[in-house]
Amino acid sequence: GQQLNQSPQSMFIQEGEDVSMNCTSSSIFNTWLWYKQEPGEGPVLLIALYKAGELTSNGRLTAQFGITRKDSFLNISASIPSDVGIYFCAGQRGGGSNYKLTFGKGTLLTVNP
Amino acid sequence: DGGITQSPKYLFRKEGQNVTLSCEQNLNHDAMYWYRQDPGQGLRLIYYSQIVNDFQKGDIAEGYSVSREKKESFPLTVTSAQKNPTAFYLCASGWGFGGELFFGEGSRLTVL
Repeated sequence: GQQLNQSPQSMFIQEGEDVSMNCTSSSIFNTWLWYKQEPGEGPVLLIALYKAGELTSNGRLTAQFGITRKDSFLNISASIPSDVGIYFCAGQRGGGSNYKLTFGKGTLLTVNP
Repeated sequence: DGGITQSPKYLFRKEGQNVTLSCEQNLNHDAMYWYRQDPGQGLRLIYYSQIVNDFQKGDIAEGYSVSREKKESFPLTVTSAQKNPTAFYLCASGWGFGGELFFGEGSRLTVL
């Protein structure tokens, strides 16, 4: 299947620091989604992006849909301990019956108090 | 409350046995999906269904089977043909024409 390259694989940061992670693809996507997963739980949707160039915020989280449609970025400002988890990007090509999501391998975030 | 319910949360299976994981949603979503998650591998699509009585193979369908007899339900059977079934299984649903997927809490299967 298609691949999304998500980086970094893991991050260890101090509380209060800002965080950036990104996803890139060789293919164009029409939708980008960002999820957070806590241990033993299912992923929870954080932000959905539907338009190239779109910049959307959800509290301390900000995500952008790259202008080339081949990448997306997630930023977390002023991190707190409860930000710990795995963050996944997901892309969807759309059109016809192609509504499957392709997921990145995730970024494991650890926040030291 | 509206949502997606997976059961059981934890399941142990002996080699050679088939097991069925349940997934029920009351969000009135048309599409439902099964993903498998292994450490460091992200989420990989097993099967998906966009309407009742129809489903499609995902990227790793071998050794799995599904049915979609009702809009609300999309059970996954892990058969004895699946060579490495120990994993965390996630069910999701969505509107089927694109956009967000909503996930259940997952089922962890361990083969003894």
